[in-house]
Amino acid sequence: GENVEQHPSTLSVQEGDSAVIKCTYSDSASNYFPWYKQELGKGPQLIIDIRSNVGEKKDQRIAVTLNKTAKHFSLHITETQPEDSAVYFCAASIGESSTLTFGKGTMLLVSP
Amino acid sequence: NAGVTQTPKFQVLKTGQSMTLQCAQDMNHNSMYWYRQDPGMGLRLIYYSASEGTTDKGEVPNGYNVSRLNKREFSLRLESAAPSQTSVYFCASSPQGVGTEAFFGQGTRLTVV
Repeated sequence: GENVEQHPSTLSVQEGDSAVIKCTYSDSASNYFPWYKQELGKGPQLIIDIRSNVGEKKDQRIAVTLNKTAKHFSLHITETQPEDSAVYFCAASIGESSTLTFGKGTMLLVSP
Repeated sequence: NAGVTQTPKFQVLKTGQSMTLQCAQDMNHNSMYWYRQDPGMGLRLIYYSASEGTTDKGEVPNGYNVSRLNKREFSLRLESAAPSQTSVYFCASSPQGVGTEAFFGQGTRLTVV
């Protein structure tokens, strides 16, 4: 089955800096790649997703890039703010009949 | 519109006790899931239901059973709780197929002593 590796496991940045979280996947048939943000004591919430027919997608300060050849995708957060501090999960799926496989998560800490 | 609602939010069980975690969604979603979250392990799928009337095993189904009661409700049952089942449990739902955007509940923190 699909395997998703996520790095780094923890990331500390200063407010205003950029943060990048990277994930690799094993199954070249995967075509859907969402990113979730989980704040303390809450459930994960979808923040952005990308499909395999697109190389990059942006939504204000966050962006996701996909490299199908290398089988990796990344989350980019610019101008980080303390409220960006959370655990971020990447995931991948092969299609609507295949469940999401999650990475192990990245704890992002943004210091004022 | 409450989204995905889980009950209870916290529970302490003794080894060998049984309990059912309840989940309901009001978004008319077809697919529903149960995940467990453990430190350093990410989110692991226990069971899922692609549509009303169907259920399938996920990555870690041992020790659990599920029931898709109707389109809205998907319950998770622990028949004989073990300390290894101490975890945070999340229910989620998707509007379409199982590999699409998932909406999560707030979680149930379960401790088995």
